[in-house]
Amino acid sequence: AQSVTQPDIHITVSEGASLELRCNYSYGATPYLFWYVQSPGQGLQLLLKYFSGDTLVQGIKGFEAEFKRSQSSFNLRKPSVHWSDAAEYFCAVVKAAGNKLTFGGGTRVLVKP
Amino acid sequence: DTGVSQNPRHKITKRGQNVTFRCDPISEHNRLYWYRQTLGQGPEFLTYFQNEAQLEKSRLLSDRFSAERPKGSFSTLEIQRTEQGDSAMYLCASSLAALNEQFFGPGTRLTVL
Repeated sequence: AQSVTQPDIHITVSEGASLELRCNYSYGATPYLFWYVQSPGQGLQLLLKYFSGDTLVQGIKGFEAEFKRSQSSFNLRKPSVHWSDAAEYFCAVVKAAGNKLTFGGGTRVLVKP
Repeated sequence: DTGVSQNPRHKITKRGQNVTFRCDPISEHNRLYWYRQTLGQGPEFLTYFQNEAQLEKSRLLSDRFSAERPKGSFSTLEIQRTEQGDSAMYLCASSLAALNEQFFGPGTRLTVL
């Protein structure tokens, strides 16, 4: 069965500093990979996705993620964090087109002024 | 607003009562998904539909849960004889069958007293 691990439950970062959120997946083949963000009282919003091709993926809000097959990882990064980036971030995997998403446990990001 | 909508946004009920939630997907989307999210966890898949056909159900979906999508448009999720363990956020998402991106609604937060 596929699974997703986000090792960091909480991360605190200063505004303007860089951010990296870790995601590791377990699946026999290359899955489709996603990062979602959830702000309080809001639904999940897709930041970016990887299906194939270039392993560095650009998303919305200045985020990017890099797929590393050898490490089974799909880490999310942002060079300079804004206070509005405080939220919970979820990595997810789906093994086939249109199939169910399997989510990690999430990483809550706090931004210090 | 042409996004996914869910009603009600909040529901408080007493243990043993039945509750029903509604999800209206993006109009041209064939696939509709239900997920459940408990506090501090990532969403977990419950079930999904392609048009009116329910194609997969998670083992999390006990016989007290039933979901329908009678005309391939909106969907309902009913929980009979609610238990305190049913307290969670119930999320709905929709997608085009040929694509993987799922768009999420704001969720229905259920509290069972």
